[in-house]
Amino acid sequence: EAAVTQSPRNKVAVTGGKVTLSCNQTNNHNNMYWYRQDTGHGLRLIHYSYGAGSTEKGDIPDGYKASRPSQENFSLILELATPSQTSVYFCASGGTGANTEVFFGKGTRLTVV
Amino acid sequence: GDSVTQTEGLVTLTEGLPVMLNCTYQSTYSPFLFWYVQHLNEAPKLLLKSFTDNKRPEHQGFHATLHKSSSSFHLQKSSAQLSDSALYYCALSEGAGNKLTFGIGTRVLVRP
Repeated sequence: EAAVTQSPRNKVAVTGGKVTLSCNQTNNHNNMYWYRQDTGHGLRLIHYSYGAGSTEKGDIPDGYKASRPSQENFSLILELATPSQTSVYFCASGGTGANTEVFFGKGTRLTVV
Repeated sequence: GDSVTQTEGLVTLTEGLPVMLNCTYQSTYSPFLFWYVQHLNEAPKLLLKSFTDNKRPEHQGFHATLHKSSSSFHLQKSSAQLSDSALYYCALSEGAGNKLTFGIGTRVLVRP
């Protein structure tokens, strides 16, 4: 089965600090995604990538940057963390077809204090 | 833009009874529809997805029928099990980018 690994799994950050969430996939998928999960909002797309070197803005990109240095790795960067970014973040990978399955990591719980 | 609506935030039912979770969508084109399930402290994972040839997808006793006329993809199961307690997301995808647009999710609690 497809494997998507996120690190760290839990993170406490201070307001104004920089946070980097990392994601690694071993499935050779071209597409990778970062979502955040909040009650009442479901899963919302922050950034995504079609392959190494590419990043695209999702539906809620403000306050976030993304980096895709290789096929396997996709990072989400919060340059100046704010309490409103306290959430659970999920990385995912998938094939290029619109009907292909997307595989999620186990999530990172981020608390900004 | 694309959107997915799930009208029930929480569904509580007794083991053995049928369950139906509602999902309607808005999309400019003809999207693919999915149901993802997330058990407590786990990653979301695919439960089932729509087919292009109007076949009805089924998995683990769940099934869903895509009705393009009403823009719906409701999830059904004839007899709920305790292990079905989870968070269920309806989602749509269109285009080569395979970006998923999710509903807000429906939490299902099955009691003995």
